[in-house]
Amino acid sequence: DSGVTQTPKHLITATGQRVTLRCSPRSGDLSVYWYQQSLDQGLQFLIQYYNGEERAKGNILERFSAQQFPDLHSELNLSSLELGDSALYFCASSPRGGEGQPQHFGDGTRLSIL
Amino acid sequence: AQKVTQAQTEISVVEKEDVTLDCVYETRDTTYYLFWYKQPPSGELVFLIRRNSFDEQNEISGRYSWNFQKSTSSFNFTITASQVVDSAVYFCALSAAFSSGSARQLTFGSGTQLTVLP
Repeated sequence: DSGVTQTPKHLITATGQRVTLRCSPRSGDLSVYWYQQSLDQGLQFLIQYYNGEERAKGNILERFSAQQFPDLHSELNLSSLELGDSALYFCASSPRGGEGQPQHFGDGTRLSIL
Repeated sequence: AQKVTQAQTEISVVEKEDVTLDCVYETRDTTYYLFWYKQPPSGELVFLIRRNSFDEQNEISGRYSWNFQKSTSSFNFTITASQVVDSAVYFCALSAAFSSGSARQLTFGSGTQLTVLP
């Protein structure tokens, strides 16, 4: 058990819809990262938050957004969903700003777009 | 830009054989960190090891060992006496240090699917 909790584990929805993925980091970790794992793109970094503020942005689509709340949990919002958004979405956390610290991953949310 | 290459897409071995997973990385940063993660069939990503760019000492931990060679930009991972439970996808990953100003998030390789046959 990594200590990172992601909900829901599975999500099935239709094109054009909007979903919210939730992540609770390990106790004491201030950084939260979101990654997308798909067959064609592999594991790709989406966005990082540190203590409530956006720290880094990767290949995140404009239709996607995220935030980190005062209790440090984070949510990833995906809107106007397309078939290509079907993927496994991981949340990871690390202590402080994350330099050199291993990121510990949740079990992921598997998103299926029908 | 950072890049991690895992040229071996799939490896299949028979139980008790040793197996080495290759990882080659590219970065312009002088300080960086290398990681190995394991993704079993259940899907979660499990952290295995971290190495600093200034620490080239190789390490052995049980049946696992790591060979970091800065001169060839390689960070290879060996499993000795493999077991069926080692079957998983193994990912090599790279992140930069804060001082470099480069990306601190993990850049992953494409992964190596290891199958250990009984």
